[in-house]
Amino acid sequence: AQKVTQAQTEISVVEKEDVTLDCVYETRDTTYYLFWYKQPPSGELVFLIRRNSFDEQNEISGRYSWNFQKSTSSFNFTITASQVVDSAVYFCALSVRGAQKLVFGQGTRLTINP
Amino acid sequence: DVKVTQSSRYLVKRTGEKVFLECVQDMDHENMFWYRQDPGLGLRLIYFSYDVKMKEKGDIPEGYSVSREKKERFSLILESASTNQTSMYLCASSLSSSGSFTDEQFFGPGTRLTVL
Repeated sequence: AQKVTQAQTEISVVEKEDVTLDCVYETRDTTYYLFWYKQPPSGELVFLIRRNSFDEQNEISGRYSWNFQKSTSSFNFTITASQVVDSAVYFCALSVRGAQKLVFGQGTRLTINP
Repeated sequence: DVKVTQSSRYLVKRTGEKVFLECVQDMDHENMFWYRQDPGLGLRLIYFSYDVKMKEKGDIPEGYSVSREKKERFSLILESASTNQTSMYLCASSLSSSGSFTDEQFFGPGTRLTVL
């Protein structure tokens, strides 16, 4: 069975602080995909990144970076120099090839205060 | 620009009513999905479809049915709405065929349904 845990239910920081959202996953499969989605107040989930299990390189996109570590089954997301527009609920998700499902974590509500 | 639209942002229905939630995508995607989102539970899959007239149950199909008569449209039906179906409903689509879940999914804005 697959499982995704986002232990941080809510995080609140002041603008310009760096913030890391944790994601821990469980699967016995060797081929799998990890995702991060952002859900702003408007409601629709926006895709941020997909990473497959064979690619452990860290990814950086502007102020966003992702740290994938198979040794700890984690796929953490860091926002550098946070901005108010980063306020949203962030979901981590896991898909295993051949299994017809995308398993979501519970989500982390991030609030950036001016 | 890719687009998934849902027929209503907010909906209020009474217990026992039949409810239709409509979803349309304009990206010619093969796969379409219906999720419900509840606080503390993340998103849970209700049904998905990988082709016209094809449907597969997700994790929580009880009390729901779906219809996909055209590729671009995927409807979620609550046969007899109950108060425990009060939730946010999200529709999504993805390009891959054969019911693959490994591609990026594109989401609609959601329908917040309240059943009184």
